[in-house]
Amino acid sequence: DTEVTQTPKHLVMGMTNKKSLKCEQHMGHRAMYWYKQKAKKPPELMFVYSYEKLSINESVPSRFSPECPNSSLLNLHLHALQPEDSALYLCASSRKQGSDTGELFFGEGSRLTVL
Amino acid sequence: GENVEQHPSTLSVQEGDSAVIKCTYSDSASNYFPWYKQELGKGPQLIIDIRSNVGEKKDQRIAVTLNKTAKHFSLHITETQPEDSAVYFCSARAAGNKLTFGGGTRVLVKP
Repeated sequence: DTEVTQTPKHLVMGMTNKKSLKCEQHMGHRAMYWYKQKAKKPPELMFVYSYEKLSINESVPSRFSPECPNSSLLNLHLHALQPEDSALYLCASSRKQGSDTGELFFGEGSRLTVL
Repeated sequence: GENVEQHPSTLSVQEGDSAVIKCTYSDSASNYFPWYKQELGKGPQLIIDIRSNVGEKKDQRIAVTLNKTAKHFSLHITETQPEDSAVYFCSARAAGNKLTFGGGTRVLVKP
């Protein structure tokens, strides 16, 4: 199984809503990532979890709150988002973080629209 | 930090012709250079990668070259097919650092 599964595929939310994006992998990877991708742009790193601990936060606003309940799951909790937060949110995983990270496997993304 | 420049931003080729995408990087410590293909509505997928101890790597119709001295690397796709139409991202990483992506190249293969 070489898949990273993300749900939901599409999400529309108002600026006062609270929602969550979910990501799951069963490759035994110990590093998991959240990326944000705007149209016609490359993915931008948001957060990295290594061995279920947050290791990188790329100065992301607190309205985005990541959570790693176990080595297979990664969540992104969303609250009080702005319309400019509308984007494709990609989850990824790799064998580990740091040297010899190995291939980065991406999910198909959750397309978020904030009204 | 690392900066990766990618050219061209769009590339239109006739089916069967070759496509070449070029990237430059700034951090001489970068030692891993993966290429990703992103089809419409999907996440990026690794298609080939190269490490700094290798100058060239080939996988069927796809090849990558790396010039460490000049700090540039290229993707070559031969005998292009309509299914090669996608956005391609080059990227670079130094050990322990995050992956830095180029701006992307939208490739259109015309039948």
